[in-house]
Amino acid sequence: AQTVTQSQPEMSVQEAETVTLSCTYDTSESDYYLFWYKQPPSRQMILVIRQEAYKQQNATENRFSVNFQKAAKSFSLKISDSQLGDAAMYFCAYRRRVEYGNKLVFGAGTILRVKS
Amino acid sequence: GAVVSQHPSRVICKSGTSVKIECRSLDFQATTMFWYRQFPKQSLMLMATSNEGSKATYEQGVEKDKFLINHASLTLSTLTVTSAHPEDSSFYICSARVSGSNEKLFFGSGTQLSVL
Repeated sequence: AQTVTQSQPEMSVQEAETVTLSCTYDTSESDYYLFWYKQPPSRQMILVIRQEAYKQQNATENRFSVNFQKAAKSFSLKISDSQLGDAAMYFCAYRRRVEYGNKLVFGAGTILRVKS
Repeated sequence: GAVVSQHPSRVICKSGTSVKIECRSLDFQATTMFWYRQFPKQSLMLMATSNEGSKATYEQGVEKDKFLINHASLTLSTLTVTSAHPEDSSFYICSARVSGSNEKLFFGSGTQLSVL
């Protein structure tokens, strides 16, 4: 079974600074997706960024970028120029690519606090 | 982006009663919907996968007679918590996959269930 591990229960960052959230996963599959989701106090799940495992290039979305190390099964999220609105719980997630209807497996989450 | 409407957002009920939660895809068809449960400051735990027109697939440890799932149309799935007890109090979230896509997945805004 696939597992996703987020080893940082909480992280803090100063506004305008950069922070990196860690994620490792375990799978025997070669074709899959990895995601970072943000859950603010409203509790609405928001997709931050997505990475396809077959792509070597790291995904980037504005201030958010990932460091995808497939051999090491590591998928960290870097948030640059942190803003107060980035404060939320962040979940790393994994999903197999090869069949429809396959489920997301979530990590335990990391609470990110942004200090002004 | 696509919208998934989840209703109600909050419900309080007495122990022993049943509660129905609706999940609707407003502007797309969803062959598959997922139901998650989330305790405070914890991760999302998948309860079941529902496919339109067929029986839901429940995760290990989830009582199918307790959590009834119906996915009668391509835009609506319902979760009924039967004979609710205080330990069923939790945040329930649905997500819907766009039919024909293995990539596009959208979340509802969640339902906070409190059982007195």
